[in-house]
Amino acid sequence: AQSVTQLGSHVSVSEGALVLLRCNYSSSVPPYLFWYVQYPNQGLQLLLKYTSAATLVKGINGFEAEFKKSETSFHLTKPSAHMSDAAEYFCAVSDPGGSNYKLTFGKGTLLTVNP
Amino acid sequence: SAVISQKPSRDICQRGTSLTIQCQVDSQVTMMFWYRQQPGQSLTLIATANQGSEATYESGFVIDKFPISRPNLTFSTLTVSNMSPEDSSIYLCSGRTGTFEKLFFGSGTQLSVL
Repeated sequence: AQSVTQLGSHVSVSEGALVLLRCNYSSSVPPYLFWYVQYPNQGLQLLLKYTSAATLVKGINGFEAEFKKSETSFHLTKPSAHMSDAAEYFCAVSDPGGSNYKLTFGKGTLLTVNP
Repeated sequence: SAVISQKPSRDICQRGTSLTIQCQVDSQVTMMFWYRQQPGQSLTLIATANQGSEATYESGFVIDKFPISRPNLTFSTLTVSNMSPEDSSIYLCSGRTGTFEKLFFGSGTQLSVL
């Protein structure tokens, strides 16, 4: 069975500061990993994905994440936060060998950006 | 990318009633899914909506409580039946086109049961 743990349900940073959102996973097989973002009153949008290619993955809006197998982590970072980054972020894992490629999500981390 | 319209966006319902949530995609998708997000919890997959046949439910979810229809490749409904306050959640539909990475989500339905 797969599981995802997002450390910190709420992260607050100042505009221009580093954003670090933590995600650890548990999977019995090499997983696919995803970060989604949800802005208020909108659906989830894919930020970036890891599908067994390069371990450092770049996504939209300046975000990137690094897959570290030894640490079973896939933390999301952005060097400089912008006010528009305020949203809820979800880490998700999938078993690429599963018939439906179902996603297992973390509980989400709400990012607030202070001026 | 596909656009998924989900309605209603929110509703407040009385205990014992039922609510049907609709999900319309602007293009054909190979698979559609329904998720639930309870307060403070992660998104949990309820079922996979299969076109023209019965949905495939995850452990802990049953058809009598969450009947799902998918009459074609662009539309699906989820009904929350005989509601109780424990059903108060956000319900999300999603659709996948082709490769797995192309998974799109509706904006969700915020349901409150009194």
